[in-house]
Amino acid sequence: QSVLTQPPSVSAAPGQKVTISCSGSSSNIGNYFVCWYQQLPGTAPKLLIYDNNQRPSGIPDRFSGSKSGTSATLGITGLQTGDEADYYCGAWDGSLNTVVFGGGTKLTVL
Amino acid sequence: QVHLVESGGGVVQPGRSLRLSCAASGFTFSNYALHWVRQAPGKGLEWVAVISFDGNLKYYADSVKGRFTISRDNSKNTLFLEMSSLRPDDTAVYYCARGLDPINRLFDYWGQGTLVTVSS
Repeated sequence: QSVLTQPPSVSAAPGQKVTISCSGSSSNIGNYFVCWYQQLPGTAPKLLIYDNNQRPSGIPDRFSGSKSGTSATLGITGLQTGDEADYYCGAWDGSLNTVVFGGGTKLTVL
Repeated sequence: QVHLVESGGGVVQPGRSLRLSCAASGFTFSNYALHWVRQAPGKGLEWVAVISFDGNLKYYADSVKGRFTISRDNSKNTLFLEMSSLRPDDTAVYYCARGLDPINRLFDYWGQGTLVTVSS
């Protein structure tokens, strides 16, 4: 059982937009920055979004992040088949003094 | 560019010990906190531990506290994870990751991972 809650799967057609939610509490998302990681099949995770809504260099602006209260959202526009991957949200938990992750969301581009 | 390379994984019997290493390059190692994150086969990400840039601050997941020890050698740009009393549920790919500053901003770059299999 993950501390952060994500939908197990989402799907959309190429070119469309999808959002992935991540729900937490005041101990984590409510008071700390959220990161999003993309894990393509058979590879290590890669940072997509940090500090709730910042993109590292090299990440296209099709990817966006937002946070409101104790929830965060990853948005992906102009979906491509290459975006098929598992997506994880993560945040620090100040009560546990640990990093907590969501269970991951599998994105299928139909 | 930032490069993290884990090593030391393998097959180990339950109750035994194993030490993982993570060799870093492409950045000033002594300026960054470092994390270990693991992923059991077919499962999601599980954070394991973090060590501050100077080694003075360490935090652990409850699942490994008292059994795993994170450490670093800033003179050799290397991160370690000493794992003891290993259990079958410790079977996973173990990744090292470079921390953002401060520690509670999580991490940016990841290594490719090393597989640890705990089995008799």
